[in-house]
Amino acid sequence: IAGITQAPTSQILAAGRRMTLRCTQDMRHNAMYWYRQDLGLGLRLIHYSNTAGTTGKGEVPDGYSVSRANTDDFPLTLASAVPSQTSVYFCASSELGGSWQDTQYFGPGTRLTVL
Amino acid sequence: DQQVKQNSPSLSVQEGRISILNCDYTNSMFDYFLWYKKYPAEGPTFLISISSIKDKNEDGRFTVFLNKSAKHLSLHIVPSQPGDSAVYFCAADGGATNKLIFGTGTLLAVQP
Repeated sequence: IAGITQAPTSQILAAGRRMTLRCTQDMRHNAMYWYRQDLGLGLRLIHYSNTAGTTGKGEVPDGYSVSRANTDDFPLTLASAVPSQTSVYFCASSELGGSWQDTQYFGPGTRLTVL
Repeated sequence: DQQVKQNSPSLSVQEGRISILNCDYTNSMFDYFLWYKKYPAEGPTFLISISSIKDKNEDGRFTVFLNKSAKHLSLHIVPSQPGDSAVYFCAADGGATNKLIFGTGTLLAVQP
C-alpha cells in the first residue's frame, strides 16, 4: 500500500507559468488537503475537500485552485505562478473529513521553486 | 496572528534523557491536538494525539500532556534516541472542522 503519492518530487518553474501538482491516495479516504510549508510559518492549509465533488478554502487559498473529481485524486493548480509560491507543498488525507478526531496523513511533498 | 505557538525553534538532548517539547494555543475552541514528526525531505508523520476530554495520552516512549486552563500541551519522549532527531509540529483542530492549525515546529537533536 503506497498511501499518498505526490508528483513531481521537485520542480523549478518560471514565473507566469501554469503548474499542476498531483496527489493520489489509495486508502479510500474521504477527505484530502493541500498545505504549504514555509520556514518560520509551519504548515498552512491551502484548500481541502471533505468528499469527492466538494472543495473548500483554507487559510491561504489565493493563487491556487483544486478539483476533486474522484476519491483518489486531488490536484492543486497554480494558474500563473509567482515567486511567493516558492514552497514545499504537502498533500494529506483523512478517513472521514469534517469529523472530530480524524487524523490526517501526509504525502512526501513537492518542492516548488518559482523564478 | 499565530493561534498555535511553538516558542522553541530547537532543542538538544542527550541520548537516554527526556525530551520535552512545548506548544501553546490561544483559541479555547480547539478540542483536538496532534503531534507530527518530520524528517528532512519527507512528509510529516502522525505521532500521537489527545482530545480535550483528557489531560494525558501515552504511546510507548511518547506522552502528550494537555493543560486546558493554561492552553498548553507538551510532548515527552523518554528515553530519547538519536532516531528521534527531527522537526516536531503540534497542531490543533477547532471542533470537527478538520482544518488543522500548525505550530512553526521545534527541531529536536538527540546527541549520542
